[in-house]
Amino acid sequence: DTEVTQTPKHLVMGMTNKKSLKCEQHMGHRAMYWYKQKAKKPPELMFVYSYEKLSINESVPSRFSPECPNSSLLNLHLHALQPEDSALYLCASSHQGGNEQFFGPGTRLTVL
Amino acid sequence: QKEVEQDPGPLSVPEGAIVSLNCTYSNSAFQYFMWYRQYSRKGPELLMYTYSSGNKEDGRFTAQVDKSSKYISLFIRDSQPSDSATYLCAIIQGAQKLVFGQGTRLTINP
Repeated sequence: DTEVTQTPKHLVMGMTNKKSLKCEQHMGHRAMYWYKQKAKKPPELMFVYSYEKLSINESVPSRFSPECPNSSLLNLHLHALQPEDSALYLCASSHQGGNEQFFGPGTRLTVL
Repeated sequence: QKEVEQDPGPLSVPEGAIVSLNCTYSNSAFQYFMWYRQYSRKGPELLMYTYSSGNKEDGRFTAQVDKSSKYISLFIRDSQPSDSATYLCAIIQGAQKLVFGQGTRLTINP
């Protein structure tokens, strides 16, 4: 299984809602990533987890809260988002120390 | 100066043509270079991964790195309509941080 899966595919939420994005991989990778991609822009790194520990936080606002419950799962908890947070949220994974990152299909988030 | 720069295009070529996509990067210390392909409304797909200088070939795709000019290229031979997508070059900065170019939107016309 060489796939990264993400749920849900689409999410619409209000600014007062709390929701979570989920990511799963079964490639035995020990590094997992969250990226944000706005329309017609490249993906931008948000968080990196290595061995289930947060190793990089690219100064992301606290309304985004990542969680890595185990080596296969990565969550992104969302609370009090703004309309400008509407984007495609991508999860990726790689071997620890590996440079080849494999991406999931993304969750398209719309904040009303 | 951005770490990696890429002409966003768009680029439109006829089917069967050779396509050349290019990026420049700023820091000569970068060692790892990638090309990703992203179809509309999908996640990026890793196409090619090269370390340091030289060429790497995989089927119709060739990735080239010229460290003397800090230039990376992706060539697509015998281009097909199914190759129509956005192509993103990327470098690894520090440990694990993937930094992408702007992406070039490519259309192959039948």
